[in-house]
Amino acid sequence: DAKTTQPPSMDCAEGRAANLPCNHSTISGNEYVYWYRQIHSQGPQYIIHGLKNNETNEMASLIITEDRKSSTLILPHATLRDTAVYYCIVRVANYGQNFVFGPGTRLSVLP
Amino acid sequence: GAVVSQHPSWVICKSGTSVKIECRSLDFQATTMFWYRQFPKQSLMLMATSNEGSKATYEQGVEKDKFLINHASLTLSTLTVTSAHPEDSSFYICSAPTSGRAYEQYFGPGTRLTVT
Repeated sequence: DAKTTQPPSMDCAEGRAANLPCNHSTISGNEYVYWYRQIHSQGPQYIIHGLKNNETNEMASLIITEDRKSSTLILPHATLRDTAVYYCIVRVANYGQNFVFGPGTRLSVLP
Repeated sequence: GAVVSQHPSWVICKSGTSVKIECRSLDFQATTMFWYRQFPKQSLMLMATSNEGSKATYEQGVEKDKFLINHASLTLSTLTVTSAHPEDSSFYICSAPTSGRAYEQYFGPGTRLTVT
């Protein structure tokens, strides 16, 4: 699986958009980009995934560059409850394959 | 979305005893489930892959005789920590893949194990 690079930490003001970047320059054509987050002392929570096109759901938007070498997760109106570690993971869509978690980005939403 | 539950959410046990942790997929079936372990301030590390109807596969360095995995049905996998020691104290998390096109996985809420 391709490796990802994320900033170790970010701050965001409450109510503002949080933009979390992820570099995956060695991504293969059949690998998806997945985003999860982990709030303290909880299991990871699925946020969104994408292959080539930008995606949006009730939680966030995922913007993938045209060359697919990087992506940005956007939380449009961050709240204090969005404070968590955010993980960007790239992998092929394989039922029997686990996810490999890196250190992620620790997002702190500030009042 | 899909829901995965774990039981118990936390457990304290004495050194030398065994502890069983359950992982259930509540609204979907999963022939494969994954068990992770997370130590404080670290990321999740895969321990083993649980397969319904067959033996689990363990990651290098994980003792299969210590961490017994049983995938009893399409919605239940159990992890038993045998002869627990303080160094086994950790946060144990399971996950199960959905049948979505990208096979995204849903994770349980985790089980905090403390061995005294």
